[in-house]
Formats: sequence, structure tokens, C-alpha cells
Amino acid sequence: KQEVTQIPAALSVPEGENLVLNCSFTDSAIYNLQWFRQDPGKGLTSLLLIQSSQREQTSGRLNASLDKSSGRSTLYIAASQPGDSATYLCAVSDVQGGSEKLVFGKGTKLTVNP
Amino acid sequence: DAGVIQSPRHEVTEMGQEVTLRCKPISGHNSLFWYRQTMMRGLELLIYFNNNVPIDDSGMPEDRFSAKMPNASFSTLKIQPSEPRDSAVYFCASSFDSYNEQFFGPGTRLTVL
Repeated sequence: KQEVTQIPAALSVPEGENLVLNCSFTDSAIYNLQWFRQDPGKGLTSLLLIQSSQREQTSGRLNASLDKSSGRSTLYIAASQPGDSATYLCAVSDVQGGSEKLVFGKGTKLTVNP
Repeated sequence: DAGVIQSPRHEVTEMGQEVTLRCKPISGHNSLFWYRQTMMRGLELLIYFNNNVPIDDSGMPEDRFSAKMPNASFSTLKIQPSEPRDSAVYFCASSFDSYNEQFFGPGTRLTVL
């Protein structure tokens, strides 16, 4: 059974700092990996999707990498801003018994202090 | 496009009552997913549909839960009878295909007293 782990569970940094969020998964047979952002009381916003054949994806100040063989992904946020404060969730598109589904980690709660 | 639309946004009900949550996916998307989020268990997939057909309902906790997708633009998740442990935020998401990028609705916060 696929399990997704995110470390740390919470992170507090000063504004302007570069930071890395970590995600690991137990089964490397995935279609893709997605990073989401969730603001308090809101739904999830998709940030980046990395196909299993890709190594990384970039969007603005965000860069996500994928090492499928080791079951790891990182989300790099450059020059963090208070508006980046949110919970970041990692999810892998897992294939089991012919059914594709997203399996989520429990997230990293990021606080960027002004 | 307005994105994925869910209603109601908040629902407070008493134990034993029937609850119906509604979802309108993004136009053109052919996969629809229902998730439940709790502090203890995080986000869990309950059921997903592809082309209006249920593909995997292994995440549905018990027979009290049922989901339908009568057409490409509407789905319901029903809980009957509801119990306090069903209290959670229920999200609906849609995608162009089941393994493509998923887009989430704002969620329905359900409280069962």
C-alpha cells in the first residue's frame, strides 16, 4: 500500500529565506506527483505536476524535483514571502489493480514571518 | 470557467439525518473525485468516476455512504444516516483524465451533532 510522508510537519522561516519541503513515498510505481497548496478553510490549489518520466518542474519561484527510484520529491521555494504561508501537500498518482488514484501526505504547514 | 463548484459550503445536521453534498466539475473534465479531509487521517479518496461511471469506491467507509454521477456535470455524495464521526471537510475534484492534474472545489464542511 502506497504511503506518502512529508517532513517537517511544520516550518517557520523569516521572509526572504529560500526553503525546501520534503516528500517521500514508499512505492515508486507512480504516474505522477503533484504539489498542492491549501490555505486555511479553503480548497487545494495545484502548484506543480511532475510526470514520472520528468525530473523537475518550475513555476515562478517554485521548483519541484522528483527522484522516482528513491521515492523522493522536494519543493523548493525561493525568496519566501508572507503570502506563501499555507499548508503544502504532496500527492502521488498511484496505480493499484488498474485504478489510478492520488495518495496524499499530511502536509507541511509553512509560516513565513515578515 | 468557474472551477469546481460544491454546495453547500457548510452543513450542520443532527445524527441520523440524511446529508447530500453536491458537486459540479469543470466543463470538459471526464474524471470526478470525492475526498474527505480530517485532522487525524488527512485527505482520503472516497470514490472516483470516469465518464460518469464509478471506477473505484474502495475508500467509501461503509454502506451509509453512496455517490452518484447521473451526468457529466453533476455528482452527489450522500450519507444516510449521518453520524458524528462523519464530521469532516468533503472535497470534490475533477480532471481531464484520472491521472492528470486535479482541480479541487472549495469543499463542504460537515458537522454532525
